[in-house]
Amino acid sequence: DGGITQSPKYLFRKEGQNVTLSCEQNLNHDAMYWYRQDPGQGLRLIYYSQIVNDFQKGDIAEGYSVSREKKESFPLTVTSAQKNPTAFYLCASMPGQANYGYTFGSGTRLTVV
Amino acid sequence: DAKTTQPPSMDCAEGRAANLPCNHSTISGNEYVYWYRQIHSQGPQYIIHGLKNNETNEMASLIITEDRKSSTLILPHATLRDTAVYYCIVRVAHAGNNRKLIWGLGTSLAVNP
Repeated sequence: DGGITQSPKYLFRKEGQNVTLSCEQNLNHDAMYWYRQDPGQGLRLIYYSQIVNDFQKGDIAEGYSVSREKKESFPLTVTSAQKNPTAFYLCASMPGQANYGYTFGSGTRLTVV
Repeated sequence: DAKTTQPPSMDCAEGRAANLPCNHSTISGNEYVYWYRQIHSQGPQYIIHGLKNNETNEMASLIITEDRKSSTLILPHATLRDTAVYYCIVRVAHAGNNRKLIWGLGTSLAVNP
C-alpha cells in the first residue's frame, strides 16, 4: 500500500548531538513537508520541498536542515543548534495538484536526554 | 492564509451525529476549507475539503455557509474511534503557499459510549 513511512517512531538524543529523522513516501508525491508539534500547540512548519533538489524554510527552520536528493525521501536533521528539540515531528506529502490534502506519516517522537 | 476558530472541546454520544463548527470569517475567495483529524500520537488524517459547495465522502460531510465565513464538519454516526482532535484549516490552492498555514489547536472530540 502507498503511504509515508517515518522512522524511528521514538528517538532519544543526548544534548549536543545531531540526529536525522527519516521520511520516505511511495505515493509519487512532488511536495514534502516537515512539521513540529509541541504539547498543546498546533503544527508548525519547519521545511518544505516542492521538487527534488529544492527546499524552502518554513516558520521555524533554525537549528534544522533537510535534503531532497530523491523524490521519495526528505530526511530532517535536528542539529545541536536547535535549543529545544524535544517534540513530535511529522512528515507529510502532497501531489502536484495543489488542492489535494496532505498525507501524513505516523510521526517521530524525539526526546533529548 | 486565513485563521480559523474552533471550540476547544466537544462531546458526542456514540451513534449520534457529531457537528464540529469552524469559523473562518476572513477567508478569501480562493481559499479552500480543509478538515483533518489527529488521533493521539499519530499523524493527522485528511478528512475532506471544499471551496463553496457542500461536500460528502465516506468519512464525513462538509457544510459551508453561503458567505463562506463558517463551516461545519458532520460525522453522521460517531463511533468511539472518531475520538480525536479535529483541525479546520484554510489554504490557497497552490502548492507553493505553505509558509503561512496556521494550524490551531483544533477541537478535541470525545465520543462517549
